[in-house]
Amino acid sequence: GESVGLHLPTLSVQEGDNSIINCAYSNSASDYFIWYKQESGKGPQFIIDIRSNMDKRQGQRVTVLLNKTVKHLSLQIAATQPGDSAVYFCAGGVGGYQKVTFGTGTKLQVIP
Amino acid sequence: NAGVTQTPKFQVLKTGQSMTLQCAQDMNHEYMSWYRQDPGMGLRLIHYSVGAGITDQGEVPNGYNVSRSTTEDFPLRLLSAAPSQTSVYFCASSYSRGTQPQHFGDGTRLSIL
Repeated sequence: GESVGLHLPTLSVQEGDNSIINCAYSNSASDYFIWYKQESGKGPQFIIDIRSNMDKRQGQRVTVLLNKTVKHLSLQIAATQPGDSAVYFCAGGVGGYQKVTFGTGTKLQVIP
Repeated sequence: NAGVTQTPKFQVLKTGQSMTLQCAQDMNHEYMSWYRQDPGMGLRLIHYSVGAGITDQGEVPNGYNVSRSTTEDFPLRLLSAAPSQTSVYFCASSYSRGTQPQHFGDGTRLSIL
């Protein structure tokens, strides 16, 4: 089955620097991937998604890169701000809504 | 527009008790789902619904029931609470088939003693 995991449990970044959060997946049939942000005591918040036929997708201050050859995706956050401090986790899906597998998350700490 | 609203935010139960976790969304979304989040694990799907009157099991459905009598509401029932059901429960919604969970509530933190 699908497994989706994060390389590092905690990432500390200086305010203003760029952050890169990595994720590996196992199911080569996954056809879309999603990044979520979860602040303490809150529910996950959708950030950005990417379909498997894409290599890169950009949003507001965020970029997701997908490397299907090594089954790896990353979330890049530009000019990291204190409000970016949260747990970030990736998810991969095959087909329908119910087929999404969630990773465990990386905690991003922004140092002022 | 409140999004996805979950109640209660916290609950403590004794083993064997039953309760219902409430979830409501005001975005007219077809898809709704329930997840549990446990330490060291990713979100796991309990039950989901693709529209009023239609529900199906997810990855970890045992011990839970759901119903979807309206588009807005999707309650999760614990029939006989067990300590293994201690978790944080999230309800999510999405506007259409084939899309990922987009809107989550802020969760219900449930402890079973």
